[in-house]
Amino acid sequence: DIQMTQSPASLSASLGETVTIECRASEDIYNGLAWYQQKPGKSPQLLIYNANSLHTGVPSRFSGSGSGTQYSLKINSLQSEDVASYFCQQYYDYPWTFGGGTKLELK
Amino acid sequence: QVTLKESGPGMLQPSKTLSLTCSFSGFSLSTSGMVVSWIRQPSGKSLEWLAAIDWDGDKYYNPSLKSRLTVSKDTSNTQVFLKITSVDIADTATYYCARSRTYYGYNYPFAYWGQGTLVTVSS
Repeated sequence: DIQMTQSPASLSASLGETVTIECRASEDIYNGLAWYQQKPGKSPQLLIYNANSLHTGVPSRFSGSGSGTQYSLKINSLQSEDVASYFCQQYYDYPWTFGGGTKLELK
Repeated sequence: QVTLKESGPGMLQPSKTLSLTCSFSGFSLSTSGMVVSWIRQPSGKSLEWLAAIDWDGDKYYNPSLKSRLTVSKDTSNTQVFLKITSVDIADTATYYCARSRTYYGYNYPFAYWGQGTLVTVSS
């Protein structure tokens, strides 16, 4: 199985700040990487696919980058509605696997 | 409009078989490229992909649970089912179904999710 290591596990940031979340795969996943946002009591929502493609309707302050085994999600100008947990997921190979998650809070 | 909705027993006893149903609309699982997966999430923890079934009837399982899982779909291609045998307290989680797709051999992730159904395993 491909292991996904996500960091940090938690993050505290101020409104308007830029935050970055990292995800490392145990092997090359050839950009088969997605990022999801999950708010308490809700289902995950797709933000980014193919490592750097913005899903329909997602604000442009979200962006993804990376290649090979290293990927990141950046949120520019943090808004209050961005408080949530974020998960990376590789879909390059079965079994599809998720990172451990990052809980983003307001400072 | 694509929607998915999970249903399950809510609570069941250890060693029993868990049966879950994913009912969906807005697409047909007979359409080329469509894939429906089951994913679970224990409270406060990350997500675990369990199984998937595609438009062609091919099935994919998480090796860590494969011996206990059976995924299937109905003949109308509007429902997907998951059975988990010999449940344990560790199977307590919210279970989601989600739709992804493949296109010309490339996979795309879960753009549509159900609301989830909480399953509690307790004696």
